[in-house]
Amino acid sequence: DVKVTQSSRYLVKRTGEKVFLECVQDMDHENMFWYRQDPGLGLRLIYFSYDVKMKEKGDIPEGYSVSREKKERFSLILESASTNQTSMYLCASSLGGRNQETQYFGPGTRLLVL
Amino acid sequence: GQQVMQIPQYQHVQEGEDFTTYCNSSTTLSNIQWYKQRPGGHPVFLIQLVKSGEVKKQKRLTFQFGEAKKNSSLHITATQTTDVGTYFCAGTGNQFYFGTGTSLTVIP
Repeated sequence: DVKVTQSSRYLVKRTGEKVFLECVQDMDHENMFWYRQDPGLGLRLIYFSYDVKMKEKGDIPEGYSVSREKKERFSLILESASTNQTSMYLCASSLGGRNQETQYFGPGTRLLVL
Repeated sequence: GQQVMQIPQYQHVQEGEDFTTYCNSSTTLSNIQWYKQRPGGHPVFLIQLVKSGEVKKQKRLTFQFGEAKKNSSLHITATQTTDVGTYFCAGTGNQFYFGTGTSLTVIP
């Protein structure tokens, strides 16, 4: 059974703070993804990674960066948090290479930036 | 921008009524997936369709992939309160996109 875990369920930060969101998957998946979910906008892809130390921009990468130093871990970094980054952040992983396959999601981190 | 649109955005039904959500893409998709997100939960994979015109069923849920592989639908027969949640389609075109989702409320 695939398990994707995220470091926090709820997080409150102040404007300008550096924020780290961690995601770990235990199924040796190649692909990992970071989304944000906002009402009426669905899931929007921020960044994704097909391999260790590899990253690609999604639809809305501005204001974010990512790190994948180990296969099981994909970190999302907000260099200087802003109030418009208040959102639900979802991490996901999938098995294969470049072909999109079933995505398994973590429980999400609800981030509030004050 | 968003390439996969879903309608309606919200749907309220009486328990026992049917429900359908539609997914439309601006580009041809190699496959379409459907996910369900319960309130307070995370998206969970339901099914994947790959072939043009494909129809798959899971109990009261019927999934269709259009002939042109640009649209898809999810139909729920005789809704139950356990069907409550947001249903997302997701497709692979030149990239992988999630649809905007349809939030289903079932009134007992």
